[in-house]
Amino acid sequence: KAGVTQTPRYLIKTRGQQVTLSCSPISGHRSVSWYQQTPGQGLQFLFEYFSETQRNKGNFPGRFSGRQFSNSRSEMNVSTLELGDSALYLCASSLVVSSYEQYFGPGTRLTVT
Amino acid sequence: SQELEQSPQSLIVQEGKNLTINCTSSKTLYGLYWYKQKYGEGLIFLMMLQKGGEEKSHEKITAKLDEKKQQSSLHITASQPSHAGIYLCGADSTGNQFYFGTGTSLTVIP
Repeated sequence: KAGVTQTPRYLIKTRGQQVTLSCSPISGHRSVSWYQQTPGQGLQFLFEYFSETQRNKGNFPGRFSGRQFSNSRSEMNVSTLELGDSALYLCASSLVVSSYEQYFGPGTRLTVT
Repeated sequence: SQELEQSPQSLIVQEGKNLTINCTSSKTLYGLYWYKQKYGEGLIFLMMLQKGGEEKSHEKITAKLDEKKQQSSLHITASQPSHAGIYLCGADSTGNQFYFGTGTSLTVIP
């Protein structure tokens, strides 16, 4: 069974631009969670989607948004990028919502210049 | 918000040595999870502890949740270079959000 895939793996953007990251969960998994990882703040929860609905949300500004499609693939979008948005963005999939048994993708490394 | 503090922040050990990583919570833990992350990659789920006093093992890695359920330890016996990476503890809050610890970076010298 294929694992969680994320595209692109690396991305360089300029301040003020917007970016869309994609995550394809493990086949059969309906929950997708997104995390931001930085050296200073560590790993922080962004949001979780299940059956195309946002079920949980972390403490991030409204510039961070996401969506999930009927095939469970998910995208997250960050608008008006700031230097502090530079991070490794990880997505994780699980069978059910709010599951501890999450399977993580390799991440997308976003650099904002 | 729930906070998870890990210690030490980083650890360098000689291959074959034993080591312990601690995760301390500011609140009672209802579920504590351990993950391993290879540098710049995603996390790999190791194990989950729920009951106070619970202990689980996987290969040479053993994790315990203390009786008062506010601290967990991860012990690696006879460390190998393949154990190198960042170890993160995680917990879920009443709001169904996952929180992660500050992470412990482990280097194993052959």
